[in-house]
Formats: sequence, structure tokens, C-alpha cells
Amino acid sequence: SAVISQKPSRDICQRGTSLTIQCQVDSQVTMMFWYRQQPGQSLTLIATANQGSEATYESGFVIDKFPISRPNLTFSTLTVSNMSPEDSSIYLCSVRLAGGNTGELFFGEGSRLTVL
Amino acid sequence: GNSVTQMEGPVTLSEEAFLTINCTYTATGYPSLFWYVQYPGEGLQLLLKATKADDKGSNKGFEATYRKETTSFHLEKGSVQVSDSAVYFCALSVNQGAQKLVFGQGTRLTINP
Repeated sequence: SAVISQKPSRDICQRGTSLTIQCQVDSQVTMMFWYRQQPGQSLTLIATANQGSEATYESGFVIDKFPISRPNLTFSTLTVSNMSPEDSSIYLCSVRLAGGNTGELFFGEGSRLTVL
Repeated sequence: GNSVTQMEGPVTLSEEAFLTINCTYTATGYPSLFWYVQYPGEGLQLLLKATKADDKGSNKGFEATYRKETTSFHLEKGSVQVSDSAVYFCALSVNQGAQKLVFGQGTRLTINP
């Protein structure tokens, strides 16, 4: 398994501001992903964080709104830009470990954002 | 496309009751199937998985069998405990290169003593 640390764990933000969420993993990983879990909803994949290159975004998500960095194998950031109340969600970092089994992902505890 | 449909929640049971949470899927190719659990205030944890048809995943008394003919992966437990109260997510993975997961909507389970 792995310890996945996300910061902040929660925050209350003002409309129009931006917030960066950090994800640090204590093990070697091959893949890192960012998911969003809106209130009462399931998880939706935002993007795959690629080391040293631009993230791969899913349909409906764009780099200008959710810029992502991954400077090394074990660290990534997600920024939620120009926030609106609709961005109030839990944002989760997820990883696949090096040598891990097919399809199995590990999740951080999430960052709960409330936008006023 | 790829999708997962779960039993609508919330589900409330008494301790020691039998649990079934239904999950069906639509996928291209041959997916791997998973159940994740989210306990109150915690992140998602893998509960069990099955990677091919007729495989049975099991953990902590929970079981699920990969049924290709009915495209299902129902979660069962013979005798639930209060500590099983959580949100359960069924998920599939079809793109082995990218290892992306597609999740169902989640089912909130509450067990009363």
C-alpha cells in the first residue's frame, strides 16, 4: 500500500479565487490521477497527471480551469482556478503503485473545498 | 461507453442482516471490476476486486463474483456489523494502459445495532 497525503484537507474559499491542492506519495508510483466528488455524487476523473509534461484531461475538464503539475514521480498539484460555488467538491488524488496489480488504485483522503 | 450502475441508496439494515448491493456495468473489452469503500471521514479504500469472468473477490466477509453473462458484480455479506456503515462504490477499469477507473454513483449503507 501507500500513504498519500493531501493538503489542504479542507478549505473555504471566496468566489473568483484559486486554490492549489498538493498530493505527496511515500512510494514509487506509475500513474497519478485527480478525481472530483461533488456533494452526493460519485467520483469523476478530472485528469491524469503526467510527469514532466502536460496532464491528460477528460472530457469536460480543461487546463485553464484545472492546471496540474507533476514535477516528479511522487508529487502532484491540482489548482482550481477562478472558483465558483459549483466547484464545491471533494478533490481526490489517486495513484497506481509501481509493480501494483492491474487496475488497483490508492486514494488520498481528499481535499474538501467549499466556495462561497 | 463504459459505465457502472449501482443500487440506489441509502440502505439501512440491522446488525447481522444479509447485505446485497447490486452493481451492473457496460464496458468495451474485458474490464476489471472493483468495490471501493469510503468510511466516514476517510478516503476510498479498495475492498475487493476481480479481473476476469467467474472470479470471486473477497475481503472482510464481503464477496462479489464477476458475472460476464449478466454484466454484474453484486456485493454481498452474510452478516453485517455496525462498523460496515460506509459508502460503497462499484468501479471498472478497461484501459489497462492508463488504468483509469469508472465509478458507480455510490451506495450509502447504515447498519443499526
